[in-house]
Amino acid sequence: GENVEQHPSTLSVQEGDSAVIKCTYSDSASNYFPWYKQELGKGPQLIIDIRSNVGEKKDQRIAVTLNKTAKHFSLHITETQPEDSAVYFCAASIGYGNKLVFGAGTILRVKS
Amino acid sequence: ETGVTQTPRHLVMGMTNKKSLKCEQHLGHNAMYWYKQSAKKPLELMFVYNFKEQTENNSVPSRFSPECPNSSHLFLHLHTLQPEDSALYLCASSPTADSSYGYTFGSGTRLTVV
Repeated sequence: GENVEQHPSTLSVQEGDSAVIKCTYSDSASNYFPWYKQELGKGPQLIIDIRSNVGEKKDQRIAVTLNKTAKHFSLHITETQPEDSAVYFCAASIGYGNKLVFGAGTILRVKS
Repeated sequence: ETGVTQTPRHLVMGMTNKKSLKCEQHLGHNAMYWYKQSAKKPLELMFVYNFKEQTENNSVPSRFSPECPNSSHLFLHLHTLQPEDSALYLCASSPTADSSYGYTFGSGTRLTVV
């Protein structure tokens, strides 16, 4: 079936450094790629998303890039802060937008 | 609060028990979802409801029985579960069943089967 691969599974960075999480997807019809942040004891929350007609999107310290040819997309967090520590999930729409398939998640630890 | 409320937050049940998880959304959305989250695994889609009608059952065992009485409420009825069913169960909603509008998740119910 359709799947989304996410790497790395864990990532430790020093406060102020940048963090990059990468995902690849298999369905060439995928057209929507959201990123979710999950803090301890909470459900995933949407932090940024990108659609297939855009190559890059930025929101303050967070940016997402999409390479449709290679079927991969990435989350970039700059100037990381301790409150960025959480689990991050990428997802891709499949079945012509019918549902989301999620990656396995990346545990991000920002050390102060 | 996200606008999607799940109760209870924690549940411990024996394998012969019957219990129900509840999800309520105050966002005016028309699609609702149940996901299972296990450690170090991707979120697994279980069920999709669109305008109260079930549109997807992702090969979920019959010991999980969903119910959607209206577009704002979603239940997951549990009976004769197995220890491997222990997980975080997440409810989500979206304006329509088209995933490109994004999902809003609740905080989940942490289920432990003993």
